[in-house]
Amino acid sequence: QVQLQESGPGLVKPSQTLSLTCTVSGGSITAETYYWNWIRQPAGKGLEWIGRIYTSGITNYNPSLKSRVSIFLDTSKNQFSLRLSSVTAADTAVYYCARERDLGSGSPTDYWGQGILVTVSS
Amino acid sequence: SYELTQPPSVSVSPGQTASITCSGEKLGDKYVGWYQQKPGQSPVLVIYRDSKRPSGIPERFSGSNSGNTATLTISGTQAMDEADYYCQAWDSSTAVFGTGTTVTVL
Repeated sequence: QVQLQESGPGLVKPSQTLSLTCTVSGGSITAETYYWNWIRQPAGKGLEWIGRIYTSGITNYNPSLKSRVSIFLDTSKNQFSLRLSSVTAADTAVYYCARERDLGSGSPTDYWGQGILVTVSS
Repeated sequence: SYELTQPPSVSVSPGQTASITCSGEKLGDKYVGWYQQKPGQSPVLVIYRDSKRPSGIPERFSGSNSGNTATLTISGTQAMDEADYYCQAWDSSTAVFGTGTTVTVL
């Protein structure tokens, strides 16, 4: 059974960089073809896709965040990570990591982490 | 940017059918997924590729997609189905989530 677990600071100061890691257990992040996603949700609001990285390392990012986002794999630790620079209070949200199984178009995002609350405040 | 619009809320009586719509330009040309999210929990995939159910999802959940509208249907709605539901589609390698619908089982 695949499990994903987010980790990182729960509090980040404005203008600094938010860094989160997702540890994958129950399977290798490079064993098959998957996309590894980051999604966030401000309190009381809807889901916002941040971006994803393919097993090969290719990335896709939300255009609204693209200038501030990077996602990368650490295959030695079976982890993938998110960095979001120049954060403001608007970046305060629960951040989820999730696995998307590559079936071509319409691939299912079938495993999600429990989420981690990140607050941007001085 | 591409947008997906859902009704804010849907109310249904136990045992009845709930229908949740998701509207977007030429949505029928794209695949749609649906996620259920209960308070304090992570989203759970209930439908992918318009109408496919992942393993473990009850048969009462079904989906369709045509024209500009995708629909998630919950037949024989149970109290445990009370949750927020989000549709999701892809547009130019960007995932877009719908605005979300709260389903209340009265």
